[in-house]
Amino acid sequence: ETGVTQSPTHLIKTRGQQVTLRCSSQSGHNTVSWYQQALGQGPQFIFQYYREEENGRGNFPPRFSGLQFPNYSSELNVNALELDDSALYLCASSLDRGSGNTIYFGEGSWLTVV
Amino acid sequence: AQSVTQLGSHVSVSEGALVLLRCNYSSSVPPYLFWYVQYPNQGLQLLLKYTSAATLVKGINGFEAEFKKSETSFHLTKPSAHMSDAAEYFCAVTTIQGAQKLVFGQGTRLTINP
Repeated sequence: ETGVTQSPTHLIKTRGQQVTLRCSSQSGHNTVSWYQQALGQGPQFIFQYYREEENGRGNFPPRFSGLQFPNYSSELNVNALELDDSALYLCASSLDRGSGNTIYFGEGSWLTVV
Repeated sequence: AQSVTQLGSHVSVSEGALVLLRCNYSSSVPPYLFWYVQYPNQGLQLLLKYTSAATLVKGINGFEAEFKKSETSFHLTKPSAHMSDAAEYFCAVTTIQGAQKLVFGQGTRLTINP
């Protein structure tokens, strides 16, 4: 149990729709990152938020966007869903944005796009 | 840019045998290295991390890894495999520069034979 909680755990969407995934970070953690893990692959970094500001972004198109709230919880929004967006979306939090800090992952949200 | 190569997408060992999972990294600056484990339909759990202190790192569940700069390797070992070790293992790298972004390998699926 890492203290990082995500919702929903599973969802099915239709191509072209929009989805919002939510994450509550571990208590006291001000840094939240999102990763996409396609079936049979390692996770890929989408972006990171530090104290409500985006602090780095991976190679994902602008239709992937996010927010971090004052309580450090976070949302991942994906617009114009494509079939290839089907994946496990992992939220991770850490005490601070320094690279040596331990990163704790949630259980993930499974997204299926049909 | 950083990258990670995990040699062997599948490793199978007998219960009680040595576990060796291989990870080689590429980084132009000193790396931080991590091993995570993922059980079926779950998120990632940190096994151990190297952040430029001792080169031999001990983690949870009896696992350890040795950072070898000359070989750019960070192989994961466990002296005696247990049935509960069956899972997917991911090696990841990040650096002290820029966003706290983990770059993962493709993963190694470990199977334990009774």
